[in-house]
Amino acid sequence: EAQVTQNPRYLITVTGKKLTVTCSQNMNHEYMSWYRQDPGLGLRQIYYSMNVEVTDKGDVPEGYKVSRKEKRNFPLILESPSPNQTSLYFCASSLTWAPSYEQYFGPGTRLTVT
Amino acid sequence: AQSVTQLDSQVPVFEEAPVELRCNYSSSVSVYLFWYVQYPNQGLQLLLKYLSGSTLVKGINGFEAEFNKSQTSFHLRKPSVHISDTAEYFCAVSVTGNQFYFGTGTSLTVIP
Repeated sequence: EAQVTQNPRYLITVTGKKLTVTCSQNMNHEYMSWYRQDPGLGLRQIYYSMNVEVTDKGDVPEGYKVSRKEKRNFPLILESPSPNQTSLYFCASSLTWAPSYEQYFGPGTRLTVT
Repeated sequence: AQSVTQLDSQVPVFEEAPVELRCNYSSSVSVYLFWYVQYPNQGLQLLLKYLSGSTLVKGINGFEAEFNKSQTSFHLRKPSVHISDTAEYFCAVSVTGNQFYFGTGTSLTVIP
């Protein structure tokens, strides 16, 4: 089944403890992206990647890192999480970065930083 | 940066009634426009998109949207809603095709 998977789905952590949220797609997509969803703010793009080793900042990149060493994986790294990063995170992928190609979203990761 | 405004945060509507969800964007250049739906506890799913051409765009589940360049709007419509349409709806805009800007969402509740 073609899909975008995220792990973990739920995570509660403490301030300052490094964490990684994994994202993987099995559709051979070139483009991948991370978003955070907050009440009243909608979705905001954190980082995106147009291909392996090509990443760029979205609208809200502060406090996050990403890497794209393989086509299928696009992990989101929080080196020193803070409570303001408590949010619902979505990974998405599409065949290429062109807007004519649909973005497929993962199921989300709910992160709580205390 | 682009901005997207969804004026209505919540829209209640009776089953089989028509509905319009409003979306306005700010951009001085050509944009690509999208509507996504999010069912409870799920990721987003593309409903429809406008890239170019005809200003009336038809999508899945009987939804359609009309692009109005002069009013910088991209309102979503459905002539007759069903209970299963209860969900959160997001309007999004992109200029480059790699950066996307989403609105704050409209929660549609269909009342039996």
